[in-house]
Amino acid sequence: DGGITQSPKYLFRKEGQNVTLSCEQNLNHDAMYWYRQDPGQGLRLIYYSQIVNDFQKGDIAEGYSVSREKKESFPLTVTSAQKNPTAFYLCASSIGGNSYNEQFFGPGTRLTVL
Amino acid sequence: ELKVEQNPLFLSMQEGKNYTIYCNYSTTSDRLYWYRQDPGKSLESLFVLLSNGAVKQEGRLMASLDTKARLSTLHITAAVHDLSATYFCAAPPRGSNYKLTFGKGTLLTVNP
Repeated sequence: DGGITQSPKYLFRKEGQNVTLSCEQNLNHDAMYWYRQDPGQGLRLIYYSQIVNDFQKGDIAEGYSVSREKKESFPLTVTSAQKNPTAFYLCASSIGGNSYNEQFFGPGTRLTVL
Repeated sequence: ELKVEQNPLFLSMQEGKNYTIYCNYSTTSDRLYWYRQDPGKSLESLFVLLSNGAVKQEGRLMASLDTKARLSTLHITAAVHDLSATYFCAAPPRGSNYKLTFGKGTLLTVNP
């Protein structure tokens, strides 16, 4: 089955630690995205990648880093510089290019800072 | 900067009733997306509206887009309990095919 997987489903982090969230897709999509969702809020874009080996900052990139070494994978690292990282993190992918670029979402990772 | 506003943010309705969720956006955009989110779950794509006057329907949900008014609506007909969820609209700023700005979502509760 084609889809997007995220792991882990739940993640607990101590203050000062870096953690990495995994996102993998087998939809053969060129573009991938990371969003953050806080309770009662819409999604906010952290980073996006239009193609392998390229990525751009979204609206709230501070304290986060990404890499895109493979088409299928777009891991997100939440660094100790992110002051309030507790949130629900959603990864998405889309065909990209000049298409209407509908984004499809993974199941999410819930990160809690202890 | 594109801003997307939804109203109402909370909607409690009875089964069998009709209602409309509104999505306004602040600057020109040529597409509008609607998503559904169940509690604790991910987002499910409902509709992609690509042009002015576009209308799409799926079951009891119908979405429309008026790009001149910068307004999209999601109309619910004869609501049933299974429609209880949070509904988000999202739009890209004109010229961007990648960055989406989301509204805060409308939490819909359908009561028996």
